[in-house]
Amino acid sequence: DSGVTQTPKHLITATGQRVTLRCSPRSGDLSVYWYQQSLDQGLQFLIQYYNGEERAKGNILERFSAQQFPDLHSELNLSSLELGDSALYFCASSVLAGFNNEQFFGPGTRLTVL
Amino acid sequence: KNEVEQSPQNLTAQEGEFITINCSYSVGISALHWLQQHPGGGIVSLFMLSSGKKKHGRLIATINIQEKHSSLHITASHPRDSAVYICAVSLQETSGSRLTFGEGTQLTVNP
Repeated sequence: DSGVTQTPKHLITATGQRVTLRCSPRSGDLSVYWYQQSLDQGLQFLIQYYNGEERAKGNILERFSAQQFPDLHSELNLSSLELGDSALYFCASSVLAGFNNEQFFGPGTRLTVL
Repeated sequence: KNEVEQSPQNLTAQEGEFITINCSYSVGISALHWLQQHPGGGIVSLFMLSSGKKKHGRLIATINIQEKHSSLHITASHPRDSAVYICAVSLQETSGSRLTFGEGTQLTVNP
């Protein structure tokens, strides 16, 4: 158990819908990362937050948004869902935001868009 | 060409064998990570390296910065080592510490 929690574990929804994925980092970690793992693209970085502020942005679609709250938990919002958004979404956390910080991964949320 | 390349893509071994998985990268990095992903999907961080060698139990990770190459070794392999092993790097030119991933190596260890 990494100490990073993600809810829900599984999510099944329809195209066009909107969903929210939640992540709670390890106690004491200030940085949160979101990653997407799909069959055709592999693991890809989406976005990073550090202490409530966006720190880095990757291949995140405009239909997706995220935020980190004062209690440091983070939410990833996916809207106007398409079949291709079906994937495993991982959250990871680290103590700080710098290069040499080990990241601890949550168990993931499996999103299925029908 | 991917910035991070792993080989082999698939590896089947017999229990007790010594296993090596390789990772090459083409850009400047700040750190290299080895991750393990089990069939259930969860990802576990095994090592983070910026130089030299690290050992944890039967796992050894090495990195050669000049050659832009890292290896993950498993000694006395066991069926419970069966998983996908993923190499990931923190790129020097990016802000934050986001990871760029290789495609993974599927390891199967037979009893």
